[in-house]
Amino acid sequence: SQQGEEDPQALSIQEGENATMNCSYKTSINNLQWYRQNSGRGLVHLILIRSNEREKHSGRLRVTLDTSKKSSSLLITASRAADTASYFCATAEANSKLTFGKGITLSVRP
Amino acid sequence: DGGITQSPKYLFRKEGQNVTLSCEQNLNHDAMYWYRQDPGQGLRLIYYSQIVNDFQKGDIAEGYSVSREKKESFPLTVTSAQKNPTAFYLCASSFAHGYEQYFGPGTRLTVT
Repeated sequence: SQQGEEDPQALSIQEGENATMNCSYKTSINNLQWYRQNSGRGLVHLILIRSNEREKHSGRLRVTLDTSKKSSSLLITASRAADTASYFCATAEANSKLTFGKGITLSVRP
Repeated sequence: DGGITQSPKYLFRKEGQNVTLSCEQNLNHDAMYWYRQDPGQGLRLIYYSQIVNDFQKGDIAEGYSVSREKKESFPLTVTSAQKNPTAFYLCASSFAHGYEQYFGPGTRLTVT
């Protein structure tokens, strides 16, 4: 069952630009997480934001959460070619497993 | 060096054969998960386990089986009943449900 839906499906930007990715979900959540996957590899956890938090930062990453709109955004500032990857949002309902979206493919052109 | 490992990285099998994928973690995590990923798709949950000797079916459990006899290990068997077994399989672990998950490097299974 799919909970989070990312938007856009694919994004291509120039190195140095900012990349914004969005995730919408349907039910109440405990937390929302973002993961990165390089081609052919496992996922890597980037950041977790709890339902009572509105914004969180980690290095060049900024995540926002709007529970009234059931949406989250991931901003990567000053993108680098090494940021090229697929990005997934995952939602956790209370006492429940994570549900992953289908992912966003980000290409950063050097 | 803590982490989660999967082996082998690539696996080739003939149709009709069962195959077992290995997943081991030394993170002392209670919860472990198996996902299937097809090209351009998200992750679909096959099975998960919240504690030793207990596991539950995920969204696409048909044709798969698991065991959880030790905390560190959660092997997945792809049986001959699985109609489209060729895929990328990912194992993950976490402290508990809803916490961040740590993923292994994946096993790419090709069945011909």
